[in-house]
Amino acid sequence: AQKVTQAQTEISVVEKEDVTLDCVYETRDTTYYLFWYKQPPSGELVFLIRRNSFDEQNEISGRYSWNFQKSTSSFNFTITASQVVDSAVYFCALSEIISGGSYIPTFGRGTSLIVHP
Amino acid sequence: NAGVTQTPKFQVLKTGQSMTLQCAQDMNHEYMSWYRQDPGMGLRLIHYSVGAGITDQGEVPNGYNVSRSTTEDFPLRLLSAAPSQTSVYFCASSNVGGEAFFGQGTRLTVV
Repeated sequence: AQKVTQAQTEISVVEKEDVTLDCVYETRDTTYYLFWYKQPPSGELVFLIRRNSFDEQNEISGRYSWNFQKSTSSFNFTITASQVVDSAVYFCALSEIISGGSYIPTFGRGTSLIVHP
Repeated sequence: NAGVTQTPKFQVLKTGQSMTLQCAQDMNHEYMSWYRQDPGMGLRLIHYSVGAGITDQGEVPNGYNVSRSTTEDFPLRLLSAAPSQTSVYFCASSNVGGEAFFGQGTRLTVV
């Protein structure tokens, strides 16, 4: 079973629209970490945010905001007033204890965001 | 500021050939891992290591081998390349609960 589900395969918006990327995760651990990464067309993976399971405070960074809700096992990402430069594939990831007691991130399949001018 | 250095960036192999993808990190991270990225599949874990001398299998380990003799290095070996191993490979390093730092990726084509 998928540990991290990003149900939206591709989202297309027009510049200046707000867009929310959904992420639903599955874990039995009480201690875990959640991440968002951005992969622009150039291919590198860029870290955006990290959240631990004990910190449900929402976070805002410029046009980016994240909503973490343990009750629904979701960690959604909103881009306000989207720009063409936001066009990328966005990955949500979960880091929990796996066999051997290690924390290794498991990634969702990604959401491709296309922002049209 | 080297971070995670992954080589080569591009590689073309013939079916049956073997090769090693190199990965080195200079952040003294405990954990290192290899992922492959295929269209629509996200990043899938191949193998990982929690420290020198300790490795384990991830989701898609078949056809790959790893070793970790030092904290810094974590090479990935393709034993006998197959077209199904055509993919983009990423090496990553991290500490407990910390974000993963990724290499630039290797685009591998097996013909």
